Amino acid sequence: DARVTQTPRHKVTEMGQEVTMRCQPILGHNTVFWYRQTMMQGLELLAYFRNRAPLDDSGMPKDRFSAEMPDATLATLKIQPSEPRDSAVYFCASGLSAGANTEAFFGQGTRLTVV
Amino acid sequence: AQSVTQLDSQVPVFEEAPVELRCNYSSSVSVYLFWYVQYPNQGLQLLLKYLSGSTLVESINGFEAEFNKSQTSFHLRKPSVHISDTAEYFCAVSPSGGYNKLIFGAGTRLAVHP
Repeated sequence: DARVTQTPRHKVTEMGQEVTMRCQPILGHNTVFWYRQTMMQGLELLAYFRNRAPLDDSGMPKDRFSAEMPDATLATLKIQPSEPRDSAVYFCASGLSAGANTEAFFGQGTRLTVV
Repeated sequence: AQSVTQLDSQVPVFEEAPVELRCNYSSSVSVYLFWYVQYPNQGLQLLLKYLSGSTLVESINGFEAEFNKSQTSFHLRKPSVHISDTAEYFCAVSPSGGYNKLIFGAGTRLAVHP
């Protein structure tokens, strides 16, 4: 059963600490998205990659957030230093870019709480 | 740029009643349209999508949505809801012509009561 795997599922950290969230896309998928979900802002696209190259990270605060794909099986989203306003659920999604648009498969999310 | 407006933040309905969740979009280019569903503490799952062809699309669990280009709408309907349909529903849009980023609406919480 192919699925997007995100770790950790829950993270509580103190303000100022570094947070790293990991995502394992579905094998063979070449597009990876990072979304942030909050009550106030809903689902915001932070960044997305195609074939491991960043295509758009305009939604990501550059001063503290960074997203990378060290290899095709791992995407990371890092926050350094973290702030209470970063508390949210972070979703990773993956898909296969092949011709017409297709489905984005979402992971179960990482619930981040910064205190 | 694209944007999505979901007109209702919450929709309460009784079991077996019909429901419509409204979605309007704005775009200067052709788009693909999607409805995703999110159950509590879960990620989003694709419910149905419009890429081209017939403007009426259906899901396997009885939902349907109709693409109306003149109204720039993609409303989601179900003739008879179940308790298990209680969830948050997101309308999304992306530019057509390739696999691109999804822009989501704010979501509509559907609450089905017995």
